Amino acid sequence: DTAVSQTPKYLVTQMGNDKSIKCEQNLGHDTMYWYKQDSKKFLKIMFSYNNKELIINETVPNRFSPKSPDKAHLNLHINSLELGDSAVYFCASSLAGAGANVLTFGAGSRLTVL
Amino acid sequence: AQKVTQAQTEISVVEKEDVTLDCVYETRDTTYYLFWYKQPPSGELVFLIRRNSFDEQNEISGRYSWNFQKSTSSFNFTITASQVVDSAVYFCALSEGAQKLVFGQGTRLTINP
Repeated sequence: DTAVSQTPKYLVTQMGNDKSIKCEQNLGHDTMYWYKQDSKKFLKIMFSYNNKELIINETVPNRFSPKSPDKAHLNLHINSLELGDSAVYFCASSLAGAGANVLTFGAGSRLTVL
Repeated sequence: AQKVTQAQTEISVVEKEDVTLDCVYETRDTTYYLFWYKQPPSGELVFLIRRNSFDEQNEISGRYSWNFQKSTSSFNFTITASQVVDSAVYFCALSEGAQKLVFGQGTRLTINP
């Protein structure tokens, strides 16, 4: 049983399209995150939600809109995709804030924008 | 702002050699947490260790050991008798406040047979 599952694993799309990545965790964690890993492997936080409430929005363009229907789900919708959005997007969860708690990551969703 | 530096971009060693991955951090917090994560070629991120700022004891887990020195703001990771399966990108990370983890740039470790 996968702890943090993301779908789809691979996404190839054209510039200008809109796409979504879904994330679900079955660990009973209160906090969920989206991280972006670029081509140089640099990992940077985008958003974090605690119990459906937005806690961190790390100066991400408005084209990115996270949605948390409940504390077990955090989806990422991206409008008007650009070439620079190509990356691997990781969903993660933790018991509470990431300061002290271990993050459990999903397997990643590789987005390629052509 | 918090910062994590992994100066070694890539390391390549022969199997059975010992290897140390360096991590230097900057923070103004008195309470903070340090982490190491492993990203094997399959791509997932795997938690290895968490250490809080008040616990400077070194830790050993099998062939893995960690050396935390507050005086030099370092949290280095050593693999003893390396194996091909240890090949991965390793990330050091630092807590920023209660909600965020800041990652270093990662060190790509290649163990050659």
